[in-house]
Amino acid sequence: EVQLVESGGGLIQPGRSLRLSCAASGFTVSTNYMSWVRQAPGKGLEWVSVIYIDGDTYYADSVKGRFTISRDNSKNTLFLQMNSLRAEDTAVYYCARGRPNFGDYENWGQGTLVTVSS
Amino acid sequence: ENVLTQSPGTLSLSPGERVTLSCRTSQSVSSSSLAWYQQKPGQAPRVVIYGTSNRATGIPDRFSGSGSGTDFTLTISRLEPEDFAVYYCQQYSRSTRYTFGQGTKLEI
Repeated sequence: EVQLVESGGGLIQPGRSLRLSCAASGFTVSTNYMSWVRQAPGKGLEWVSVIYIDGDTYYADSVKGRFTISRDNSKNTLFLQMNSLRAEDTAVYYCARGRPNFGDYENWGQGTLVTVSS
Repeated sequence: ENVLTQSPGTLSLSPGERVTLSCRTSQSVSSSSLAWYQQKPGQAPRVVIYGTSNRATGIPDRFSGSGSGTDFTLTISRLEPEDFAVYYCQQYSRSTRYTFGQGTKLEI
């Protein structure tokens, strides 16, 4: 059974850094494309970042230069390093597994809440 | 950026009714790259349709998707109580990456 379990969220002051983790089971992270998607309170879904099988990474303009997506193949875990956090980064962050050849996300974690506030 | 516009924003319906949700994209999308998600309060999104018209695993056949180019639809033939939720469309392309629509809320 595929499972994605996010962790690392919490209350953080503006300008500080936080690292989110997404532990995967039931499949291998390195042979799938993986993303982070976020949802601000009461708002819609916003794509944040993707890491492809070949290691290429892409980011939404809103986080480019501040966030870094990575993976640890030995731990089968996806990460999101978030620097220079802003109030507008407050959201539930989901990790998601992409479906090959289609571009949708077939598996999602339960999400972890990040609150950026002083 | 490929902007996805969903309409209507909110629909008030009753169980047993048929509903069609619309998703219009600002740039043409490959039929293999358009998906629909269902999200209930406090839950993660769940894919219901991928590749425009393919039902995801476990999705009942009252859900169907269609469309091409810049106009796509999700139809629920006969609403069940568990179908009342927010629905998002999403597209992928190599040039614009991933974008979501703003969502349509189905309420009783």
